[in-house]
Amino acid sequence: GNSVTQMEGPVTLSEEAFLTINCTYTATGYPSLFWYVQYPGEGLQLLLKATKADDKGSNKGFEATYRKETTSFHLEKGSVQVSDSAVYFCALSGWTDSWGKLQFGAGTQVVVTP
Amino acid sequence: DAGVTQSPTHLIKTRGQQVTLRCSPKSGHDTVSWYQQALGQGPQFIFQYYEEEERQRGNFPDRFSGHQFPNYSSELNVNALLLGDSALYLCASSLVGVDNEKLFFGSGTQLSVL
Repeated sequence: GNSVTQMEGPVTLSEEAFLTINCTYTATGYPSLFWYVQYPGEGLQLLLKATKADDKGSNKGFEATYRKETTSFHLEKGSVQVSDSAVYFCALSGWTDSWGKLQFGAGTQVVVTP
Repeated sequence: DAGVTQSPTHLIKTRGQQVTLRCSPKSGHDTVSWYQQALGQGPQFIFQYYEEEERQRGNFPDRFSGHQFPNYSSELNVNALLLGDSALYLCASSLVGVDNEKLFFGSGTQLSVL
């Protein structure tokens, strides 16, 4: 079956540091890939997505590229802020799944200190 | 514009009891998906409702059931509660045909089973 593996946290960074969160997946066919973010006390929010190989999703300074050859979708941001402190989830939607069914990774907590 | 709202926020039950959780989708959305998020884990897909029917289901026993009403709101029912059912239950809504892979999540209902 489909699965998503992402790096364990917490990841602790200083403000303006470079952030990378690794995500790899196992799926048949051509899944769609997502990053969701969960800020403290809030619901999950879609951060970015990519629906086919070599697509780059980007939003709020975050980027991730769909790499089919390495089955990866790593999240990056060049200069983090304290407000980026949150839990980040990598997810996929299998190509035979309905649009509401996502397979999530375990999440990576990111803590950015001033 | 109200987002996805869930009630109650917190709930405490004992083993063997039954519970009903409620969700109102984002205004204009017609599809509701339910997820279970155990502590420190990513959300797990329970099922999805569209046009008042269950469209897809994850690997959850029949103790988990749901309903969607004509106004698109939804309920999640869990019978014969087990200690392992303690989790955050998330509702997500979307709109068929309009960027339907973008899910909007509520803040969840925290269920504790004692």
